[in-house]
Amino acid sequence: KNEVEQSPQNLTAQEGEFITINCSYSVGISALHWLQQHPGGGIVSLFMLSSGKKKHGRLIATINIQEKHSSLHITASHPRDSAVYICAVFSTDKLIFGTGTRLQVFP
Amino acid sequence: ETGVTQTPRHLVMGMTNKKSLKCEQHLGHNAMYWYKQSAKKPLELMFVYSLEERVENNSVPSRFSPECPNSSHLFLHLHTLQPEDSALYLCASSQAGINYGYTFGSGTRLTVV
Repeated sequence: KNEVEQSPQNLTAQEGEFITINCSYSVGISALHWLQQHPGGGIVSLFMLSSGKKKHGRLIATINIQEKHSSLHITASHPRDSAVYICAVFSTDKLIFGTGTRLQVFP
Repeated sequence: ETGVTQTPRHLVMGMTNKKSLKCEQHLGHNAMYWYKQSAKKPLELMFVYSLEERVENNSVPSRFSPECPNSSHLFLHLHTLQPEDSALYLCASSQAGINYGYTFGSGTRLTVV
């Protein structure tokens, strides 16, 4: 079992839908990252969280340290949001990655 | 462009070839990383260089050999690879000891034939 689990593994949505991607982890962490990977392979950091909630445009990330759980929400989804979303936790000076959630948003 | 540049973007090599992957960053970071991403698996940390010194080698086969000549450049030398080594190889950089500000390159898609 991975130390970082994401759900769902695959997600399809119609443009405009509200999307939630979940991340659960089993280790002690100092921070959690949400990353976006486009089909070309490059990875972009979306958020770094250690508590509470952050918002950037249509993206919202929340974390519950007690429950060891984080969610990434996308409001008013758009086809350009199609990508793989990866949760990664910073634990004992290392980044531990989830396997990612592949999101496809159709017009 | 994220500030971390990887070349080449794609590489096809035979099992007897020797090739090198290159990573370059001009973000002022002093830690650099090689990750391997295989299909349907989490990113796997291969090597970490901090202040130009290798601080982590995650049981990587000796057919992968990293080199960090300075804090801005990182290489991964490849020789006698196996088909199962085909994957996306990602370079990242950060400020050592700080758990934010990881910046990734676009990766090199390696195919071993």
